Amino acid sequence: NAGVTQTPKFQVLKTGQSMTLQCAQDMNHEYMSWYRQDPGMGLRLIHYSVGAGITDQGEVPNGYNVSRSTTEDFPLRLLSAAPSQTSVYFCASSSRAGDVLFFGSGTQLSVL
Amino acid sequence: GEDVEQSLFLSVREGDSSVINCTYTDSSSTYLYWYKQEPGAGLQLLTYIFSNMDMKQDQRLTVLLNKKDKHLSLRIADTQTGDSAIYFCADANQAGTALIFGKGTTLSVSS
Repeated sequence: NAGVTQTPKFQVLKTGQSMTLQCAQDMNHEYMSWYRQDPGMGLRLIHYSVGAGITDQGEVPNGYNVSRSTTEDFPLRLLSAAPSQTSVYFCASSSRAGDVLFFGSGTQLSVL
Repeated sequence: GEDVEQSLFLSVREGDSSVINCTYTDSSSTYLYWYKQEPGAGLQLLTYIFSNMDMKQDQRLTVLLNKKDKHLSLRIADTQTGDSAIYFCADANQAGTALIFGKGTTLSVSS
């Protein structure tokens, strides 16, 4: 069972570059979310989606865009990367908001 | 605002019990969760407790919930070196739209 799949696992960007972090789940979950994990800060919610076509902002949404055109996919876009976006990014899904979250293995992003 | 707080570090000897504590501010959640993160990996659900329970036992794990004090704890009996990891407690936010995580407790187990 694949669960939640994130790609890439590692990425290095230069300041100002754009990229998309991919996330897909095969559990037919309605709810998907993106967190970033930074040392000493724990996990902070970036964006979330309660279903296809519906997205909303979390705690730290600035500099990130999301869309949810299908139930399975929830990509995270960095429009113009900044060093402050150096972090480990986790995608997670659940059957509905507030339920048990299933996490992907993470993307380690460095912005130089 | 909504918050979940944990101590950051815990160091124990192999075979001892470990107790990781957590406090939270929002009390409307149906469940509270404990997640485990091993190095280089994502978070995995370790256990959870229904909000109307005081205690849940699952093999070496015991979860205690004190709703009056908004305090959650995770006890690991007979701690092993393989238990070394970061442990996060999590609570749903008041709107029920997301899980809020504590900053994580790094458990170090020495042999």
